[in-house]
Amino acid sequence: NAGVTQTPKFQVLKTGQSMTLQCAQDMNHNSMYWYRQDPGMGLRLIYYSASEGTTDKGEVPNGYNVSRLNKREFSLRLESAAPSQTSVYFCASSSGGLPYEQYFGPGTRLTVT
Amino acid sequence: KQEVTQIPAALSVPEGENLVLNCSFTDSAIYNLQWFRQDPGKGLTSLLLIQSSQREQTSGRLNASLDKSSGRSTLYIAASQPGDSATYLCAVDRDDKIIFGKGTRLHILP
Repeated sequence: NAGVTQTPKFQVLKTGQSMTLQCAQDMNHNSMYWYRQDPGMGLRLIYYSASEGTTDKGEVPNGYNVSRLNKREFSLRLESAAPSQTSVYFCASSSGGLPYEQYFGPGTRLTVT
Repeated sequence: KQEVTQIPAALSVPEGENLVLNCSFTDSAIYNLQWFRQDPGKGLTSLLLIQSSQREQTSGRLNASLDKSSGRSTLYIAASQPGDSATYLCAVDRDDKIIFGKGTRLHILP
């Protein structure tokens, strides 16, 4: 099993450009998540999807949109990138039922100049 | 609002020693507490998950305890090795959302 996969691994954008981060899981999990990790801030939840067809805002949703394309895939879109969105982005998934154990992808390192 | 604190932020320990990492949380109404390991430039790897009804979990040289009423958890690492060097994060969850601490960066000195 590949687990949780993310593409791309690295990306450099200019301010104002747009891009989509892709995430897929092969564990038949119901719930999927997008986090960002910044030095000194820890991991913060951007958006999550409890099931196919549903999405909810997390702690820091501004400037992002998400799509739960199907049960396997959950994408994160930056419509107009800003330097403040320079971060490492992690996708995670869980079965959606107790005990809610989460499995993480390898991350995407994004730099916005 | 749930807050998760890990102290210290960084720790250096000689190889072979036993060590304890600490995690505290402000709201005891949690489902689980999970400990993760993160190597530099990598994603998070789940080490142990303790359900709210449990007091501890063990995996090899790792033992995690949970005292939900006092809002505390510890991760005990026995006979530390250089390969244990990493950042360790704890996280608590409720309603399918989890809140992370900022982690303890552990360095095992050879």
